[in-house]
Amino acid sequence: DTGVSQDPRHKITKRGQNVTFRCDPISEHNRLYWYRQTLGQGPEFLTYFQNEAQLEKSRLLSDRFSAERPKGSFSTLEIQRTEQGDSAMYLCASSWGLAEETQYFGPGTRLLVL
Amino acid sequence: DQQVKQNSPSLSVQEGRISILNCDYTNSMFDYFLWYKKYPAEGPTFLISISSIKDKNEDGRFTVFLNKSAKHLSLHIVPSQPGDSAVYFCAATGENFNKFYFGSGTKLNVKP
Repeated sequence: DTGVSQDPRHKITKRGQNVTFRCDPISEHNRLYWYRQTLGQGPEFLTYFQNEAQLEKSRLLSDRFSAERPKGSFSTLEIQRTEQGDSAMYLCASSWGLAEETQYFGPGTRLLVL
Repeated sequence: DQQVKQNSPSLSVQEGRISILNCDYTNSMFDYFLWYKKYPAEGPTFLISISSIKDKNEDGRFTVFLNKSAKHLSLHIVPSQPGDSAVYFCAATGENFNKFYFGSGTKLNVKP
């Protein structure tokens, strides 16, 4: 297993456009998390899935943000009508039942909104 | 709501000496505390964790200490090596692991 993967690694878009990011967790991991990280800050929690159920969602996640994990495997994070303030690194992490506190992070998707 | 804080943005240490990174938290309901290391252009990598029922956990050169009364934890790296140079994040979570709170990070520079 090669770990958590994210696609794309970089995305440049114009303000107002929609973007979608994909995360493929480690195959047996049932927990999946999305974070946003801006320069000089730590990862900021966005949302959490256990299998296909979205169990936790941050107030930071405005109605322009949506996430899915349709079959409990990969997940997508969509941002509609992007704003310049959405420019950040978007990180995905996964973990599993016997080591729930140990999250494995992907390399992230860096978004730049022009 | 900044529930986990790292007040030192950077730390410089000589190779072979001890590095001590500090972290404070405000929520007494946190059950697990973790440290992550991050290199540029990579995601954070899990380093070590501690349960709230313990006050110390050790893994090789890395030891985490938890002081619940002070709501403070620290990571000790002994001896420090140049390869330890990275940004270190502390994080905390509750018993359900539904949400993790991260500090803003401390950039450690270990000088040869």
